[in-house]
Amino acid sequence: DAGVTQSPTHLIKTRGQQVTLRCSPKSGHDTVSWYQQALGQGPQFIFQYYEEEERQRGNFPDRFSGHQFPNYSSELNVNALLLGDSALYLCASSFFVGTGFGTEAFFGQGTRLTVV
Amino acid sequence: EDKVVQSPLSLVVHEGDTVTLNCSYEVTNFRSLLWYKQEKKAPTFLFMLTSSGIEKKSGRLSSILDKKELFSILNITATQTGDSAVYLCAVEEGTSGSRLTFGEGTQLTVNP
Repeated sequence: DAGVTQSPTHLIKTRGQQVTLRCSPKSGHDTVSWYQQALGQGPQFIFQYYEEEERQRGNFPDRFSGHQFPNYSSELNVNALLLGDSALYLCASSFFVGTGFGTEAFFGQGTRLTVV
Repeated sequence: EDKVVQSPLSLVVHEGDTVTLNCSYEVTNFRSLLWYKQEKKAPTFLFMLTSSGIEKKSGRLSSILDKKELFSILNITATQTGDSAVYLCAVEEGTSGSRLTFGEGTQLTVNP
């Protein structure tokens, strides 16, 4: 089992540019969540995808958008990059067992995005 | 707004010591509390605690959840240098999803 895989591992972009990050979930998982982690902080929830739909969204601007494909993989797109978008972007996958149950979420290695 | 507070923020101990990490939370629709270990990049799953599973143990690590007082602790006994990492506490909430709200983390350093 390859676990959660993300690509690329590192990325350097210029202010104003657009970026796409990719995530393949752990085998058997159907839900993908994206998090942004600034240095020295805990991860912050961006959004979650289930059945190719955005199910929940955190407090992030519309410049952050995403997509989930039929094979459950997902992309995170960020437009009009700002210096403050520099962070570690983490993808987490899980299997939805029902609203009354806890969910074990497993994380990928992350993509380190630097905006210059 | 959901909130998770961890303490202490950093901790330095010697090998063999026992440590206790704390996590308190406020969340509207609690579903579970999770502990992760983060060494370089990927947070590694340790435990999930729910109303039906308020105590977990794995080797030298153990955790309990107090749903009445809204906190959890993570204990590590006989610490080793390999335990050095950031330990993250997260609360899962939601009636339609499973978003996680994280604390800032506790940076644990175990010296030989």
